[in-house]
Amino acid sequence: EDKVVQSPLSLVVHEGDTVTLNCSYEVTNFRSLLWYKQEKKAPTFLFMLTSSGIEKKSGRLSSILDKKELFSILNITATQTGDSAVYLCAARASNAGGTSYGKLTFGQGTILTVHP
Amino acid sequence: SAVISQKPSRDICQRGTSLTIQCQVDSQVTMMFWYRQQPGQSLTLIATANQGSEATYESGFVIDKFPISRPNLTFSTLTVSNMSPEDSSIYLCSVLHQVISSGEAFFGQGTRLTVV
Repeated sequence: EDKVVQSPLSLVVHEGDTVTLNCSYEVTNFRSLLWYKQEKKAPTFLFMLTSSGIEKKSGRLSSILDKKELFSILNITATQTGDSAVYLCAARASNAGGTSYGKLTFGQGTILTVHP
Repeated sequence: SAVISQKPSRDICQRGTSLTIQCQVDSQVTMMFWYRQQPGQSLTLIATANQGSEATYESGFVIDKFPISRPNLTFSTLTVSNMSPEDSSIYLCSVLHQVISSGEAFFGQGTRLTVV
């Protein structure tokens, strides 16, 4: 069974701190690793990673994938109170034929709280 | 990205009744999915909504409890039938542009269901 595990499950920091969120996965026919931010109900897309070692960056957020170690991290530098949210990691498989997109398996999420 | 309209955004329902959730996308998408997020939990895939044919359900979910329709490429409904308090969750519609995207999945605003 496909599995995604995130750590830590919760994190409390102060504004200006840097945080690193971890995601490990075991997925058959792995295709890509996605990160989402969930503030209320709807997860909003942050990054999709398909290749090892290539960092994706958006402002203060960055992420990288290690396909050998089956691991990804999400870094947030100079955190702000607006970064408080649940961060979800999800692994996508290809379908059995490898020609189409399979299901997303989500981790439990990391609850990030940033205090002023 | 696609604009996804999901409704209702929230509802409080009596046990034993049914609720139908609608998901409308502003462009034709290849794949549509329905997820459930129970309180304090991560997202679990209920089923893939297939256009013009029966949905593909994940283990633990059955058509009698969660009937799904997808009459065209932009619209799908999920019904939660014969509800019990255990069905209280956030239900999320997700879409994937298989042709024009690289695999990013986008989410509707979610429906927060409370069963009393």
